[in-house]
Amino acid sequence: QSALTQPASVSGSPGQSITISCTGTSSDVGSYNLVSWYQQHPGKAPKLMIYEGSKRPSGVSNRFSGSKSGNTASLTISGLQAEDEADYYCCSYAGSSTFNVVFGGGTKLTVL
Amino acid sequence: QVQLVQSGAEVKKPGASVKVSCKASGYTFTGYYMHWVRQAPGQGLEWMGRINPNSGGTNYAQKFQGRVTMTRDTSISTAYMELSRLRSDDTAVYYCARVGIAALARLDYWGQGTLVTVSS
Repeated sequence: QSALTQPASVSGSPGQSITISCTGTSSDVGSYNLVSWYQQHPGKAPKLMIYEGSKRPSGVSNRFSGSKSGNTASLTISGLQAEDEADYYCCSYAGSSTFNVVFGGGTKLTVL
Repeated sequence: QVQLVQSGAEVKKPGASVKVSCKASGYTFTGYYMHWVRQAPGQGLEWMGRINPNSGGTNYAQKFQGRVTMTRDTSISTAYMELSRLRSDDTAVYYCARVGIAALARLDYWGQGTLVTVSS
């Protein structure tokens, strides 16, 4: 199973909004509403930010939102803050005949 | 509070095996799958597989079939991931992560990571 496709980098100024895309196929993103998004700061473990496409875990800021259209999922961060600078990874269930999970290649977010 | 505490860093020679542990606390160990994800230096996340701590049943990514073994010891709420026939490109940080039984790809708590270095 190929990794999901994300842009290598995105950037934005404080207070702005940015969107990170995550493109898969009809075998993963397109078939299931099971995309999750993770934030990873350098040297730290990933942190769950969005699950099942658009749901936020308790404690995650409502500045983070998720959506999906066809085979592409998106993560939007509004009101950018310096602390949002990190790597972001999408992830999707991709099982059919056998259980499988795939990650995107990751996107480096720079807050200018 | 939920905690996943992994074993310490390892240095292995090519061809050897490594076994990483992940001790869970703060929740019912058998009520959640344990997934394993690795991250090579400067690279992205890569899913390796999962184990059902209740039944011991496993699912492995095709890439690791035949080289990875995931086990658990419910008496001490600990999951293990063993990778054999190590190569230099297995050098990575290995993470365990909890997933609810019906949650499939919702990795909600992660261990701190274990660095495995493969070098002759």
